[in-house]
Amino acid sequence: AQTVTQSQPEMSVQEAETVTLSCTYDTSESDYYLFWYKQPPSRQMILVIRQEAYKQQNATENRFSVNFQKAAKSFSLKISDSQLGDAAMYFCAYRGGSNYKLTFGKGTLLTVNP
Amino acid sequence: GAVVSQHPSRVICKSGTSVKIECRSLDFQATTMFWYRQFPKQSLMLMATSNEGSKATYEQGVEKDKFLINHASLTLSTLTVTSAHPEDSSFYICSASRAGEDTDTQYFGPGTRLTVL
Repeated sequence: AQTVTQSQPEMSVQEAETVTLSCTYDTSESDYYLFWYKQPPSRQMILVIRQEAYKQQNATENRFSVNFQKAAKSFSLKISDSQLGDAAMYFCAYRGGSNYKLTFGKGTLLTVNP
Repeated sequence: GAVVSQHPSRVICKSGTSVKIECRSLDFQATTMFWYRQFPKQSLMLMATSNEGSKATYEQGVEKDKFLINHASLTLSTLTVTSAHPEDSSFYICSASRAGEDTDTQYFGPGTRLTVL
């Protein structure tokens, strides 16, 4: 079974600084998808970024980028120029190529200090 | 695009009653919808997967007779918690995958907080 590990239960960053959230996963599949979701205090799950495993290029979405290391099974999220609105729980998630289910990590609570 | 709504956002009910939660994809057709449960400060736990017009697939340990799921159309899925008890109190979240493009991505509703007295 696939597992997703987020080793940082909590992280903090100063406003305007950069922070990296780590995520590792375990799988025997070669075709899969990886996601970062954000859950602010409202508890609405918001898609931050997605990465297809077959793509070597790291995905980016404005201030959010990933470092996808397929051989190491690592998928970290970098948030640049952190803003107060970035404060939330961040979940890393895995989806296999042939399975619709998402496997979530336990989450990292990000605090942004003004 | 890819907006998912849930109704109600909060519900309080007495023990023994049934509660229905609706999940709608507002601007797309959803091939597959998912129901999750989330306890405070924990991750999401998948309860079941549903496809339009077919029976839901439940995860191990989830009672299908207690958590009834109906995926009546490509834009609507409902979760009914039957004979609710205080231990069913939780935050329930649905998600949906779009037909056609980016079927690998799930878009989430805002969640429903259920409190059973």
